[in-house]
Amino acid sequence: EAGVAQSPRYKIIEKRQSVAFWCNPISGHATLYWYQQILGQGPKLLIQFQNNGVVDDSQLPKDRFSAERLKGVDSTLKIQPAKLEDSAVYLCASSSQVKGLMEQFFGPGTRLTVL
Amino acid sequence: GENVEQHPSTLSVQEGDSAVIKCTYSDSASNYFPWYKQELGKGPQLIIDIRSNVGEKKDQRIAVTLNKTAKHFSLHITETQPEDSAVYFCAASTGGFKTIFGAGTRLFVKA
Repeated sequence: EAGVAQSPRYKIIEKRQSVAFWCNPISGHATLYWYQQILGQGPKLLIQFQNNGVVDDSQLPKDRFSAERLKGVDSTLKIQPAKLEDSAVYLCASSSQVKGLMEQFFGPGTRLTVL
Repeated sequence: GENVEQHPSTLSVQEGDSAVIKCTYSDSASNYFPWYKQELGKGPQLIIDIRSNVGEKKDQRIAVTLNKTAKHFSLHITETQPEDSAVYFCAASTGGFKTIFGAGTRLFVKA
């Protein structure tokens, strides 16, 4: 089966600019996650969707970050305006949550550099 | 807040030796403990997981142990090979929610 797709793979912007990332999860996976991974650290959960509803966005900086998952499939994560400290890899993951399966499948990530 | 501590941050072993990575978690509600391997330029990939109703699980050269009382869980890799070199992350979650990752262990396997 096809894996989690993300685009773009790399993005370089200047601070105060806007940027958007796209994620296409594995077909049939109801749960979608966005993580921020700063260099040398573990992934940090930003937001978790169940179908097209948000189940956890407690660590999402809502003054500048937003995310949506239309029709319960693809998702976009936006940063507006970007700050230097937003430089990181943004990972998208999905899981089926069917019959208690909790394995998360990760995409390759988008590496964001804010100058 | 809730957190997961992971040690060591770097581990270097000789090919064929064993490697052990340890994690502790703080949220007593955590019931699912996956381990991920991340290679350069790629997303993390699940290598093994364990649930709170199991104390140990093994898959070929990889094993995970869980001590719920002490809130500790560990990854054991035996007969290490150069291709095991990567960054390994532990994580803890509650039924697939509130997933928290450790800071990672960079494993080097010297041939």
